[in-house]
Amino acid sequence: EAGVTQFPSHSVIEKGQTVTLRCDPISGHDNLYWYRRVMGKEIKFLLHFVKESKQDESGMPNNRFLAERTGGTYSTLKVQPAELEDSGVYFCASSRPGGGSYFGPGTRLLVL
Amino acid sequence: GEDVEQSLFLSVREGDSSVINCTYTDSSSTYLYWYKQEPGAGLQLLTYIFSNMDMKQDQRLTVLLNKKDKHLSLRIADTQTGDSAIYFCAETLPSSSNTGKLIFGQGTTLQVKP
Repeated sequence: EAGVTQFPSHSVIEKGQTVTLRCDPISGHDNLYWYRRVMGKEIKFLLHFVKESKQDESGMPNNRFLAERTGGTYSTLKVQPAELEDSGVYFCASSRPGGGSYFGPGTRLLVL
Repeated sequence: GEDVEQSLFLSVREGDSSVINCTYTDSSSTYLYWYKQEPGAGLQLLTYIFSNMDMKQDQRLTVLLNKKDKHLSLRIADTQTGDSAIYFCAETLPSSSNTGKLIFGQGTTLQVKP
């Protein structure tokens, strides 16, 4: 089966601009997660979807971040407006209920 | 609280054993995981251990869990240059065991010298 895919692989934007990251989970995986790794630090949980519903968004840093999963398939994570501290690697993962998480390759975001 | 700690860097010679260590603070952890991230790639699940186990072996990988000390280790036997990567320790807690939310450490960069 195809793995989790993320687009774009890299993004360089200026402070104040908007960026939208996309994640396509493994087909049939109801659970979808977003995580972020800021330079050299731990990977932190952002939020969790079950199908199209937000199950847990306790890790979202602030209201500049908006995640959607319309139709329960792919998900987008929009950062608007981007700040310097948003730079990092954004990982998406998906899983079946009770199953292990499969991660995508990540989107490397650099805000200048 | 939720805290997972790892040393940041380990360097070994090819053919030696590598031991990557991790400590966690929440004794109620249900599952503990080791993920590997190669350059430019995503996180690959290497192995996991349930909290009521002490040890798990899978080919060159051995996971040891000391619940009393809240210490987890990953031993890689006969380390190869292809093992060079960042290794992340992660846990799930009972509150999140049904959701699959992972709590990660900072990652240990393993450098394997030929």
